[in-house]
Amino acid sequence: KAGVTQTPRYLIKTRGQQVTLSCSPISGHRSVSWYQQTPGQGLQFLFEYFSETQRNKGNFPGRFSGRQFSNSRSEMNVSTLELGDSALYLCASRSDPGTGSSEQYFGPGTRLTVT
Amino acid sequence: LAKTTQPISMDSYEGQEVNITCSHNNIATNDYITWYQQFPSQGPRFIIQGYKTKVTNEVASLFIPADRKSSTLSLPRVSLSDTAVYYCLVGVGNRDDKIIFGKGTRLHILP
Repeated sequence: KAGVTQTPRYLIKTRGQQVTLSCSPISGHRSVSWYQQTPGQGLQFLFEYFSETQRNKGNFPGRFSGRQFSNSRSEMNVSTLELGDSALYLCASRSDPGTGSSEQYFGPGTRLTVT
Repeated sequence: LAKTTQPISMDSYEGQEVNITCSHNNIATNDYITWYQQFPSQGPRFIIQGYKTKVTNEVASLFIPADRKSSTLSLPRVSLSDTAVYYCLVGVGNRDDKIIFGKGTRLHILP
């Protein structure tokens, strides 16, 4: 079974631009979560989508948004990029939230650099 | 979602067994305990999960006492390649809970 895939793997953008990152979950997984990882803040939860609905959201400004499609693929968008948005963006999928389990599978990440 | 506490960092030597303990005093009845491993610039990797007693796989063992208020990840005969950050997570009891990662334990294996 193929793992979680993320595209693109690397991205360089300029302040003020916007960016869209894509994530394809493991086949059969209906939940997709997004995380931002920086050296200073560690791994921070952005949001989770399940069956095309946002189920949870972390403490990020409205510039960060996401969506999930009927095939469970997900995208996240960051508008009006700031230097501080430079980070590794990770996507993770799991089959069924609410089972008491934290088991999920991560993609390789997208390294975003904002200049 | 139960909060977890684990050491910030640990050092060990190649060939030794490493035990990382995680405290989770407020674990809920239907919560599982899950451990992840993360190498630099990669996503965390699920390594083991358990509910009670002992779980073992090809990578690690997980020991959970009867009261489930703590758990210990055991890595047998570590090598330099086991240098990574290890996260302990507990949850999630219901669909509205977020899977939140703490700071983890930075394990450094010395030659």
